[in-house]
Amino acid sequence: NAGVTQTPKFQVLKTGQSMTLQCAQDMNHEYMSWYRQDPGMGLRLIHYSVGAGITDQGEVPNGYNVSRSTTEDFPLRLLSAAPSQTSVYFCASSYKVAGMRGANVLTFGAGSRLTVL
Amino acid sequence: AQSVTQPDIHITVSEGASLELRCNYSYGATPYLFWYVQSPGQGLQLLLKYFSGDTLVQGIKGFEAEFKRSQSSFNLRKPSVHWSDAAEYFCAVAGYSSASKIIFGSGTRLSIRP
Repeated sequence: NAGVTQTPKFQVLKTGQSMTLQCAQDMNHEYMSWYRQDPGMGLRLIHYSVGAGITDQGEVPNGYNVSRSTTEDFPLRLLSAAPSQTSVYFCASSYKVAGMRGANVLTFGAGSRLTVL
Repeated sequence: AQSVTQPDIHITVSEGASLELRCNYSYGATPYLFWYVQSPGQGLQLLLKYFSGDTLVQGIKGFEAEFKRSQSSFNLRKPSVHWSDAAEYFCAVAGYSSASKIIFGSGTRLSIRP
């Protein structure tokens, strides 16, 4: 049971390049989300998904696209990278807590460090 | 929309001393509340959570937190810290109607003085 797997762990891009951060979970969790972590700003929610085919914007969605074609995968796409997107990115999945409507608990991946020059 | 404030950016305590990390949330109804810990270079691990019921919740590693609705707070406490508790701590909130949208505070970095 691998949990939440993120690839790559490190990436350097030039301004204007595109790339996709991959996220996969093998726990059959319905919910998945992407966060970025920047010094002094904590974790900010980029996009999240409540199930296959359903995505929604978080706090800082601009410059990022997501899709959820399967329950297992939730890739994050940067179409034209900018230096402001230099950050550590965390993918998380969450399970529903039995007996508690709507409550769920996050399981995080190890993170992907992205540098945009 | 929900939000979280952690007013202390950095706290230093002596090993063996007690600890309290502050967290204030904003949400119109009863929230779901969490504390996560991130050790240097690591991912995030759940310490404890509050969904309903007893307002004093126990977590892993000897941590506890108390939900105070009147103060919109969910402070994290530990009676005696260990050097291994040095890490960054994040409070988070989710709402009943959007429970998959979990919002984090800016974090509090904890240093331990030998």
